[in-house]
Amino acid sequence: AQSVTQLDSQVPVFEEAPVELRCNYSSSVSVYLFWYVQYPNQGLQLLLKYLSGSTLVKGINGFEAEFNKSQTSFHLRKPSVHISDTAEYFCAVSERGGSNYKLTFGKGTLLTVNP
Amino acid sequence: DADVTQTPRNRITKTGKRIMLECSQTKGHDRMYWYRQDPGLGLRLIYYSFDVKDINKGEISDGYSVSRQAQAKFSLSLESAIPNQTALYFCATSDTTGRADTQYFGPGTRLTVL
Repeated sequence: AQSVTQLDSQVPVFEEAPVELRCNYSSSVSVYLFWYVQYPNQGLQLLLKYLSGSTLVKGINGFEAEFNKSQTSFHLRKPSVHISDTAEYFCAVSERGGSNYKLTFGKGTLLTVNP
Repeated sequence: DADVTQTPRNRITKTGKRIMLECSQTKGHDRMYWYRQDPGLGLRLIYYSFDVKDINKGEISDGYSVSRQAQAKFSLSLESAIPNQTALYFCATSDTTGRADTQYFGPGTRLTVL
C-alpha cells in the first residue's frame, strides 16, 4: 500500500515570492506521481505528473516538480507566485502496474498568496 | 462544455432521506470513480467502475451504493443519509490507453445532511 504526506497544511506567501510545497510518499513498488490544484469552489485540475524519464517535470501555470527517488519526494515549486495561485494543492501517487488506477491523495496544502 | 459534469452542484437534505448524485462524462473514458473530500482529510475513494459490469468498493463504501447506467454515467446513492456524510463529493474518469491512469475530475457536489 502507498501513502502520501504533505508536510505543510498551510503555506502563506507574498506575491512574487518563490514557493515550495512539499510532498513525500511511501510505496513498496515504483510509482507514478501527480499534483492537482483545487481553486476555491472548483473541482481538481491536473497540474503536472511524473511517469518516467526526466525527474524535473513542468506543468501548467509555471509550476514544476522534481522527483527524488532516494528521498521519496515530489516537491512542487514556482519561482514567483501570483494572487491567482491561491488554492489548495494535492499530491497523489499511484502504483506502476496493474493497480495504477488507484490514486492515493495527500491531505492537501492550502497556498495563500498575499499582496 | 465541461468533460465531466455532476448534478446537483449543491444539495441540502435531512437525515434518513435517500439521495442520488449523478455524474456524466463526454471524455469517452472507461473508468469512473466517486470520491468524498473532507476538510483536512484529502480525497477518499468510495467506489470505482472499470466498465458497466465491473463495479468495485473503495476504502469507504459503507453507507453508499452506485450504479453504472452506461459508459458515460455513474451515479452515487446514499440510501439513508446521515450527518457525517456531509462532504464534497467528486466524480472522476480515466482511460487505460496510457501507462498511468490520469484522472479527470468533475466540479463536485456539496452535500449537507441535517
